[in-house]
Amino acid sequence: GESVGLHLPTLSVQEGDNSIINCAYSNSASDYFIWYKQESGKGPQFIIDIRSNMDKRQGQRVTVLLNKTVKHLSLQIAATQPGDSAVYFCAENGEAGTALIFGKGTTLSVSS
Amino acid sequence: EPEVTQTPSHQVTQMGQEVILRCVPISNHLYFYWYRQILGQKVEFLVSFYNNEISEKSEIFDDQFSVERPDGSNFTLKIRSTKLEDSAMYFCASELGRGLYNEQFFGPGTRLTVL
Repeated sequence: GESVGLHLPTLSVQEGDNSIINCAYSNSASDYFIWYKQESGKGPQFIIDIRSNMDKRQGQRVTVLLNKTVKHLSLQIAATQPGDSAVYFCAENGEAGTALIFGKGTTLSVSS
Repeated sequence: EPEVTQTPSHQVTQMGQEVILRCVPISNHLYFYWYRQILGQKVEFLVSFYNNEISEKSEIFDDQFSVERPDGSNFTLKIRSTKLEDSAMYFCASELGRGLYNEQFFGPGTRLTVL
């Protein structure tokens, strides 16, 4: 994915606010989309995924929205906590065994 | 919970030297990957490995790079003659590989510094 127009490299929120992180992906043939969280000095950690036949998927405090018409993916974090501070990457891929294509990250900073 | 492990956590080497980065994927996984991340940039795919051979590689993965699964547990990335621009975090990932879509699990990374 690439960041076109909607991508913000940094997002600063207050604890308890809802956060929305956007991503524009690049390949209209991608079938599977994932949001990863990366804390400083660590590897990407899976948050939530969505398949191309869905437009919304909810997890615990997180929701991913997929708009295939405009190739846009968003991650919504409810009641953001200081522990949510990290860099968030969207990634797209095809079937099992194919490479993940990562977008540019968004650094989320949550202040108390 | 099973996890991907990588060693060393930090490798410092001189330009032109060979380095081997090691990974132990999750034991029942079938697909293995190497990615790299230059400081402050996005994660980039290098190579994928399945059934003891490379299944896909990127333009970054040139002749200086090689991968190997020498035994049933380790998965290694070798850089034959390191360049300054090889300095990056290198992440190993593994994937169960059963079913159509699978999560890739990432290791903690090896920070490679080439001087």
